[in-house]
Amino acid sequence: KQEVTQIPAALSVPEGENLVLNCSFTDSAIYNLQWFRQDPGKGLTSLLLIQSSQREQTSGRLNASLDKSSGRSTLYIAASQPGDSATYLCAVRPSSGDKLTFGTGTRLAVRP
Amino acid sequence: EAGVVQSPRYKIIEKKQPVAFWCNPISGHNTLYWYLQNLGQGPELLIRYENEEAVDDSQLPKDRFSAERLKGVDSTLKIQPAELGDSAVYLCASSAYSTGELFFGEGSRLTVL
Repeated sequence: KQEVTQIPAALSVPEGENLVLNCSFTDSAIYNLQWFRQDPGKGLTSLLLIQSSQREQTSGRLNASLDKSSGRSTLYIAASQPGDSATYLCAVRPSSGDKLTFGTGTRLAVRP
Repeated sequence: EAGVVQSPRYKIIEKKQPVAFWCNPISGHNTLYWYLQNLGQGPELLIRYENEEAVDDSQLPKDRFSAERLKGVDSTLKIQPAELGDSAVYLCASSAYSTGELFFGEGSRLTVL
């Protein structure tokens, strides 16, 4: 059974800092991995999707990397802003089947 | 392009009452999902549709929950009767075969009193 862990559970940083969020998964037989952000009381917004054949994806100040062999993905946020404050979740889709497994998220607070 | 649309956004009911949630996925997305999210937790799959067929409903509590996706587009999730423990956010998501990228709606927050 796939297990997805996100550490730390919460993070508070000053504005402008570069930061890394971690996502670990136990079964490396994945089809893709997706990063989301969730604002309080809102649904999940897709940030980046990395297919199993890819090593990284970039969108603006966000960069996500994938290392299947070690069961890890990182989300790098450059020059953080207060507007980046949200909960960030990763989700893993298996190579067989379609049931995503979500982590419990990292709650990020960027202080002005 | 419109995203995934859900309604209602909020619903407060007394226990034992019925409730229904509606979802309109992104146009052209064949796969539709209903998830349940409790506070501080990641989403948990309730049911997945491929077009109008429910291909994974193993986590759906079938004694009180039901879902349908008529004509393979809109979907409705129903709870009857609701229990206190059903208070949560019900999220709908859709994806296309080509990428498998999931897009979520804003969710329907249910409070059962």
